[in-house]
Amino acid sequence: QKEVEQNSGPLSVPEGAIASLNCTYSDRGSQSFFWYRQYSGKSPELIMSIYSNGDKEDGRFTAQLNKASQYVSLLIRDSQPSDSATYLCAVEGNNRLAFGKGNQVVVIP
Amino acid sequence: ETGVTQTPRHLVMGMTNKKSLKCEQHLGHNAMYWYKQSAKKPLELMFVYSLEERVENNSVPSRFSPECPNSSHLFLHLHTLQPEDSALYLCASSQSDRRTDTQYFGPGTRLTVL
Repeated sequence: QKEVEQNSGPLSVPEGAIASLNCTYSDRGSQSFFWYRQYSGKSPELIMSIYSNGDKEDGRFTAQLNKASQYVSLLIRDSQPSDSATYLCAVEGNNRLAFGKGNQVVVIP
Repeated sequence: ETGVTQTPRHLVMGMTNKKSLKCEQHLGHNAMYWYKQSAKKPLELMFVYSLEERVENNSVPSRFSPECPNSSHLFLHLHTLQPEDSALYLCASSQSDRRTDTQYFGPGTRLTVL
């Protein structure tokens, strides 16, 4: 079983719509969860971190964590063309940080 | 600008060459990391240094040799690489080597092995 799984395939959303990204993880003892954004040809940059069950909002981004179901999601409201990027989910457990393969988001003007 | 710089940004080398990748962080952090990013694969952690000491080596082939002369600089020495080693090599730093600390990535070195 893969440690961190993200949906395959690019996600195309029209400008102004909500983009929803999901990530599941296998280590039930994981404590910290991160979303990184990576533009094509650039390095990953942290956009959200979440540690407790529930929602965490930061501007147009909302991270949702459900430890019982072992998933963490990222919502991007009012999607803009500048949100077009690959989003990496990262999960920390036992002082190890595991990354997913990433989800490509394409916002269509 | 992330405060983590890497050189060179692009590198093409033959299998018999020896080259080095350089990383420098200007953030005052104590931990530095080398990652490998291949297409369609998750980021793979290669090495972790904390206060210039190697604290993690994730079964990386010996043709990759890291060096951390001080807490601001990290090198990855390459020799007799294979074509499958072609990838984006990312350096990162964080305040400590606790994985809960935010990691800041450099722009990466795109390596092509012929």
